[in-house]
Amino acid sequence: ETGVTQTPRHLVMGMTNKKSLKCEQHLGHNAMYWYKQSAKKPLELMFVYNFKEQTENNSVPSRFSPECPNSSHLFLHLHTLQPEDSALYLCASSQDPLWEQYFGPGTRLTVT
Amino acid sequence: KNEVEQSPQNLTAQEGEFITINCSYSVGISALHWLQQHPGGGIVSLFMLSSGKKKHGRLIATINIQEKHSSLHITASHPRDSAVYICAVETGSARQLTFGSGTQLTVLP
Repeated sequence: ETGVTQTPRHLVMGMTNKKSLKCEQHLGHNAMYWYKQSAKKPLELMFVYNFKEQTENNSVPSRFSPECPNSSHLFLHLHTLQPEDSALYLCASSQDPLWEQYFGPGTRLTVT
Repeated sequence: KNEVEQSPQNLTAQEGEFITINCSYSVGISALHWLQQHPGGGIVSLFMLSSGKKKHGRLIATINIQEKHSSLHITASHPRDSAVYICAVETGSARQLTFGSGTQLTVLP
């Protein structure tokens, strides 16, 4: 049990759908992250939130929209995705951005 | 050229063997992480280190800042160690990790 949970674990969506990924951490951490892992590629950092404020946005297309309502919850809202967006989306948290990150189990997303 | 290079990409070992996975990087870093990813995607952070050596159970991680190189060693390997091992470095903004492509380790019984 890592203390970081993600739902759903698997998601299949059409290109016109709107869906959201949810991440919750039970560790009292202040920083949360979204990563994308495509097949045979290294992990890519998408967004960083520190104390609910977005501090990094690594040129992510606007069809991905993050939301951090409090330091325990992080959402990734998805709309009009492309098939190349199919990937494993991982959430992580850390005490602060300088500390070790704890990862959730990931959401396996397939865009059809 | 990737900023973080891991070798080997794939490694198959017999149970009980001593295993070494290498990570080289080309930029100045504030810390280096070793992560373990099991089939299905879940990632576990194994080590975060900025100098010297750390040990946890059968796992040992070392880093040489001058040579920009880190190694992950597994002693007395076991089939349950089979996973992808990922090296990641903190560069520039300490919040950002740059990842290697991972090493797929398979330990045969």
